[in-house]
Parts: sequence; structure tokens; C-alpha cells
Amino acid sequence: EAQVTQNPRYLITVTGKKLTVTCSQNMNHEYMSWYRQDPGLGLRQIYYSMNVEVTDKGDVPEGYKVSRKEKRNFPLILESPSPNQTSLYFCASSLVPGPIYGYTFGSGTRLTVV
Amino acid sequence: AQSVTQLDSHVSVSEGTPVLLRCNYSSSYSPSLFWYVQHPNKGLQLLLKYTSAATLVKGINGFEAEFKKSETSFHLTKPSAHMSDAAEYFCVVSWGGRRALTFGSGTRLQVQP
Repeated sequence: EAQVTQNPRYLITVTGKKLTVTCSQNMNHEYMSWYRQDPGLGLRQIYYSMNVEVTDKGDVPEGYKVSRKEKRNFPLILESPSPNQTSLYFCASSLVPGPIYGYTFGSGTRLTVV
Repeated sequence: AQSVTQLDSHVSVSEGTPVLLRCNYSSSYSPSLFWYVQHPNKGLQLLLKYTSAATLVKGINGFEAEFKKSETSFHLTKPSAHMSDAAEYFCVVSWGGRRALTFGSGTRLQVQP
């Protein structure tokens, strides 16, 4: 089944403890992206990647890092999480960016930083 | 700056009555437009998309949307609401390029029995 898989689904952590949220897609998509969803703000893009070793900042990149060493994986790294990073995170992928091919979203990761 | 505005944060309808969820975008040229639905504790599911073909777009579950360039709108409608339609709906715009998608703030649809 074609899908985007995020892990974990739920995570509670403490301020300052490094964590990684994984994202993997099995569709050979070139484009991958991370979003955070906060009430009343919709989804805002954190980082995106056009292809292996090509990443760039989205609208709200502060406090996050990403890497794209393989085409299928696009982990989101929080080096020193803070409470304002408590949010629902979505990973998405597309064959190429733009409207034609559509986007597939993961099921989300709900992160709580205390 | 390019933006997407969903005009209602909450909409409540009775089962069997029409649904209208409003979306406007700002742009100097025609973007591609999507509606996504998010059911509680679920991911995002594509309802429909407009990519410069027919201006009236039909999606899944009886939803449709009409692209009106003169009004820069892409409102989502359904003739008859069902209880299972209760969810959050996002209007999403793609102006192409690397950044790909811009999301509206969402409209929570409540369906009363």
C-alpha cells in the first residue's frame, strides 16, 4: 500500500531532550515536507526537501532540523525541544512539488513538550 | 504575500441540509486549489482539486467546489450533509514551486442530527 509512515504517533518529552520524528514513504516521491498544525493556524510548513541532500526552510523552521540522506526518509529533528513546539506534526510527500500529482500525508505525530 | 482565507472557523448545519464552506485566496495569477478533510485523530485526506481544467470540480463523498477567478474564491459545497461529514476542512493553495502548499486556518464543520 502506498503510504507515508510517521513514527511515533504520540510523544511526550521534557524540555531540552533531543528527539527525532521519523517519516518514510514507499512511493519513490522526490518531494517531502514537514508541517505543524496548531489551532486556528492551519498547517504551516517547517522544512521541505526537493530530493536527496536538497532541503530548505519553510515558514517556521526555527528550532528544527531535517536531513534527507535517502529518498524514502525525511526525519524531523528537535535538538532542544521547548514547550512552544508542542503541536501536531504531519509529513507529506509528492512525486514532484506542484499541483499535478497531489500530496500524500502521514497520519500525524502529536508531540507534547513539558 | 500570498495567502488563503477560510472565512468561517466553525460551521454548524443540520443533517440533510446544504453545506457551504468558504475559501478565498490572494494571488496575482491562478493557483491550483485543493480541499482536504481531517476527521478527528486522523490524517489529511484529499477531497478534490482544481488544476485549471473545469471550474466546477467534483470530489469524493458528494462534495464539489467552484473556482471563480473574478472573486478569487474556491468555496466547497455539498447538497445534503451527513453526520459522517463532521470534521475539519482545509482550503489549500499551491502557487507551484518549492514551497508547494499554503493552508487556510481550517473550518470545523458540525452536523446536528
